[in-house]
Amino acid sequence: TQLLEQSPQFLSIQEGENLTVYCNSSSVFSSLQWYRQEPGEGPVLLVTVVTGGEVKKLKRLTFQFGDARKDSSLHITAAQPGDTGLYLCAGDRRSPSGTYKYIFGTGTRLKVLA
Amino acid sequence: KAGVTQTPRYLIKTRGQQVTLSCSPISGHRSVSWYQQTPGQGLQFLFEYFSETQRNKGNFPGRFSGRQFSNSRSEMNVSTLELGDSALYLCASKAGSFSNTEAFFGQGTRLTVV
Repeated sequence: TQLLEQSPQFLSIQEGENLTVYCNSSSVFSSLQWYRQEPGEGPVLLVTVVTGGEVKKLKRLTFQFGDARKDSSLHITAAQPGDTGLYLCAGDRRSPSGTYKYIFGTGTRLKVLA
Repeated sequence: KAGVTQTPRYLIKTRGQQVTLSCSPISGHRSVSWYQQTPGQGLQFLFEYFSETQRNKGNFPGRFSGRQFSNSRSEMNVSTLELGDSALYLCASKAGSFSNTEAFFGQGTRLTVV
């Protein structure tokens, strides 16, 4: 069972278009992180959202955490070829033992065409 | 400060062999997690070490093992390699093994089993 589902799985758009990527769960997360990963490299942290309803902006990227802290979205305005990559959401999932396991979403592969 | 360092970057092994991968976390970080990333399965959690103790374990066979040293450096070992073990292995460093802490990744080790 995948605890963090992302949609869409793949996205190919033209430069200048807007897009939104979703990260959904049936479980509550105390926080969620968004990463971008380029081929052959490790994921790079973009942002952390903590409070339900929180909105964070990072230049052309807008991140939102759902009110119930079960979902999050990433909106990119006027996409550029440099935005191409794999976008991953991630969060700490509390295990039965009380410790936390850091899990990742299924990923959204974005390609922005010049 | 220096980021997460993984060595080696690339590795080619033969089926049946064993391999050891190394990860040096960010200075001061005590939590090291390992992930396997394949095109079909995405980022799968292997295990997490905190202060030399394994705190969490994913659903991988016993051929996958790890350890952490007193300086927080971690090693991951895979014995009796199979073709399906070919993947990008990523190490993540966190300040603590609790919720709301961000993970920082190394560049990964690309393992190819032939």
